[in-house]
Amino acid sequence: NAGVTQTPKFQVLKTGQSMTLQCAQDMNHNSMYWYRQDPGMGLRLIYYSASEGTTDKGEVPNGYNVSRLNKREFSLRLESAAPSQTSVYFCASRNYEQFFGPGTRLTVL
Amino acid sequence: GQQVMQIPQYQHVQEGEDFTTYCNSSTTLSNIQWYKQRPGGHPVFLIQLVKSGEVKKQKRLTFQFGEAKKNSSLHITATQTTDVGTYFCAGRKSSGDKLTFGTGTRLAVRP
Repeated sequence: NAGVTQTPKFQVLKTGQSMTLQCAQDMNHNSMYWYRQDPGMGLRLIYYSASEGTTDKGEVPNGYNVSRLNKREFSLRLESAAPSQTSVYFCASRNYEQFFGPGTRLTVL
Repeated sequence: GQQVMQIPQYQHVQEGEDFTTYCNSSTTLSNIQWYKQRPGGHPVFLIQLVKSGEVKKQKRLTFQFGEAKKNSSLHITATQTTDVGTYFCAGRKSSGDKLTFGTGTRLAVRP
């Protein structure tokens, strides 16, 4: 059981570049989440998916898109990266509690 | 929207001293969860509280849910260096709703 996995672990982008953050869980959870974490800001919800085939906006969705590819996978896409999107991104899945992936540390120059 | 605030933002204690972090929600919660994040790591679930006035203990950690279900606290007795990290509360307005995370309290422990 790998739990929640995320790729890549680290990424540096230039302003305007695009990229997709991948997330997968092997716990058969229905709900999956994407958060960003900035110093002193806690964890802010970007998008979530309550079940396969559904996605909803969270607190800070602007500049991001998501795809719930199947029950296991939930990806986050930055179409045109901006320096304000420099952050640590966590994916999580939920049953009773939320299980977090190891995070992706993204820097946008 | 729902807001969850935590105080203090940061606390530095001597090993062996006690530590408490407080969590306050702008709305009544269905339940509240607590997570710990070690430096450089990801949040890890500690506990969930559901009932008004509920108190739960895990070794040196005591968690409390307020009577009005709008606040919560985490108390650590006799801190150890292994307690270092950021502690987050996270509240849910209803059982199926998404979690709203608090701002976190970072704990540093002097050996």
